[in-house]
Amino acid sequence: NAGVTQTPKFQVLKTGQSMTLQCAQDMNHEYMSWYRQDPGMGLRLIHYSVGAGITDQGEVPNGYNVSRSTTEDFPLRLLSAAPSQTSVYFCASSSAGTSGDTQYFGPGTRLTVL
Amino acid sequence: AQRVTQPEKLLSVFKGAPVELKCNYSYSGSPELFWYVQYSRQRLQLLLRHISRESIKGFTADLNKGETSFHLKKPFAQEEDSAMYYCALSYGSSNTGKLIFGQGTTLQVKP
Repeated sequence: NAGVTQTPKFQVLKTGQSMTLQCAQDMNHEYMSWYRQDPGMGLRLIHYSVGAGITDQGEVPNGYNVSRSTTEDFPLRLLSAAPSQTSVYFCASSSAGTSGDTQYFGPGTRLTVL
Repeated sequence: AQRVTQPEKLLSVFKGAPVELKCNYSYSGSPELFWYVQYSRQRLQLLLRHISRESIKGFTADLNKGETSFHLKKPFAQEEDSAMYYCALSYGSSNTGKLIFGQGTTLQVKP
């Protein structure tokens, strides 16, 4: 079991460029989510999904798109990168069941937007 | 609105000293609270959750609804406890996996 994997590990973009952060899990988890981690602000939820074909916004969704065509994959798209999107991005997954189930996190993608 | 506050950015203690990492929350519903830990060069992982009432690596945390707190405690700190600790609150309808995180506290255990 690889758990939750994320690619790339590091990325540098110029303002206005677009890119997709990849996230995959092999635990057959229904729930997947994206967080960004900024100094002094903890982790903030960007988007989440409760199953294939179902996504919804979190706290800070602006500038990001997601889709969930399969249970395993949950890519995060930056449409037009801005310096304010410089952050570390974490993908997480958890199984269906009672609320508050353990979330498993990926290793993170460190993104710099110049 | 829901909120999680960790008032200390950095907590520095000597090995063998007691540790208390503070967490306060604001939530109108019935809270489900967690502590996550991130060791150096490792991914974020669950340390413990209040519904389990468990002790992991010597750490415990008790939910105090009156004081809206969920402080993390350990009687004798070890150097390997040095890490970033996040308090988190599960919110929204059940089964969505949404978490609100505090700002995080770096625990530094000195030899």
